[in-house]
Amino acid sequence: AQKITQTQPGMFVQEKEAVTLDCTYDTSDQSYGLFWYKQPSSGEMIFLIYQGSYDEQNATEGRYSLNFQKARKSANLVISASQLGDSAMYFCASLSNNLFFGTGTRLTVIP
Amino acid sequence: EAQVTQNPRYLITVTGKKLTVTCSQNMNHEYMSWYRQDPGLGLRQIYYSMNVEVTDKGDVPEGYKVSRKEKRNFPLILESPSPNQTSLYFCATRGSPYEQYFGPGTRLTVT
Repeated sequence: AQKITQTQPGMFVQEKEAVTLDCTYDTSDQSYGLFWYKQPSSGEMIFLIYQGSYDEQNATEGRYSLNFQKARKSANLVISASQLGDSAMYFCASLSNNLFFGTGTRLTVIP
Repeated sequence: EAQVTQNPRYLITVTGKKLTVTCSQNMNHEYMSWYRQDPGLGLRQIYYSMNVEVTDKGDVPEGYKVSRKEKRNFPLILESPSPNQTSLYFCATRGSPYEQYFGPGTRLTVT
């Protein structure tokens, strides 16, 4: 069984500051993938970043980076230089056969 | 353009009136799935399909049916909807492990 834990229901960050959204996962699989998705108020699911369990380097996509600590089973999302448009729900997910989601973190960027 | 379409996008219905939410993809992906999203619970998988005529239950299959008669379509059927099925529904497809595509969502209200 897989489990994703996001312990921060809500987060605030000042515009232009960096923010870290926490995610821990629990899986017995050796091969798995970790994802972060953004869900703005309009509702669509937007893919942000992916990390494979065998990838040695942390994934980066523009202002997004995934801080992957395999021994701790954590996959935190770091957003640098926050923008007002980053205000949204953020979901962490893990993939073995199927995709399992955490409960999400609502990020609010303050001007 | 890679696309997952869902119809309808919004639906208000009454308890017991059978409904179908359609999902269609243009990427020739074998894997398709349905999720429901509820506040505080994240996205939970309802059903998934590994290929044509191959479907299996996810985490919350009660009250739902699916069919996969052709690769591009994966409809979600609620034979007798109840108010606890009021939710936001997403259809998704998968190509390679890091290629997950979500539809725009269907907001269902059952009164």
